[in-house]
Amino acid sequence: DVVMTQSPLSLPVTLGQPASISCRSTQSLVYSDGDTYLNWFQQRPGQSPRRLIYKVSNRDSGVPDRFSGSGSGTDFTLKISRVEAEDFGVYYCMQGTHWPYTFGQGTKLEIK
Amino acid sequence: QVHLVQSGAEVKKPGASVKVSCKASGYTFTSYGVSWVRQAPGQGPEWMGWISTYTGNTNYAQKVQGRVTLTKDTSTSTAYMELRSLRSDDTAIYYCARDLNGDFDYWGQGTLVTVSA
Repeated sequence: DVVMTQSPLSLPVTLGQPASISCRSTQSLVYSDGDTYLNWFQQRPGQSPRRLIYKVSNRDSGVPDRFSGSGSGTDFTLKISRVEAEDFGVYYCMQGTHWPYTFGQGTKLEIK
Repeated sequence: QVHLVQSGAEVKKPGASVKVSCKASGYTFTSYGVSWVRQAPGQGPEWMGWISTYTGNTNYAQKVQGRVTLTKDTSTSTAYMELRSLRSDDTAIYYCARDLNGDFDYWGQGTLVTVSA
């Protein structure tokens, strides 16, 4: 199985400051069609995961442009340019290239 | 707009089975697959399996293979997840998600399944 490793697992951030989360996979996530199926999700307490980014860098409709995704192959990053209060929660990366689909352990973004 | 509405919370005894439904609306049901994901208390999500709503083909995670069955009813745009021989470590929130080639864009609200004697 492809193992997804996120870092850090806990990320204390001051409002208005940037934040960055790393996600590394044990295999390349490039699929045979040329696309890379790497998603980022945000989960707030008591809620379902909400997709923010798909195929590495595509922002979902309604997601603020302070969120951006980048990376290739096995190394990916989610960045928040200026953290706002509504951004706190747990962030997961997930690969949909290889069966079984796998998630990272999660990164808890919290107020410093 | 797209909605995935799941059935309500369940409490089951060890050894029993549970069947969770996921009713889709707002799109053509057979144009997207459905994946099922569970999340144990305080843990990250775990993918359980996928079903093609067009062909009925399935793919299961090895951890639950043999105990889980995914089905669908295209007449009602509903997907189902049945898990058998329940154990205490199956206690989790179970989610369905619309799945297009490994992209999960919409999720159900989740169904809490509690396994307790």
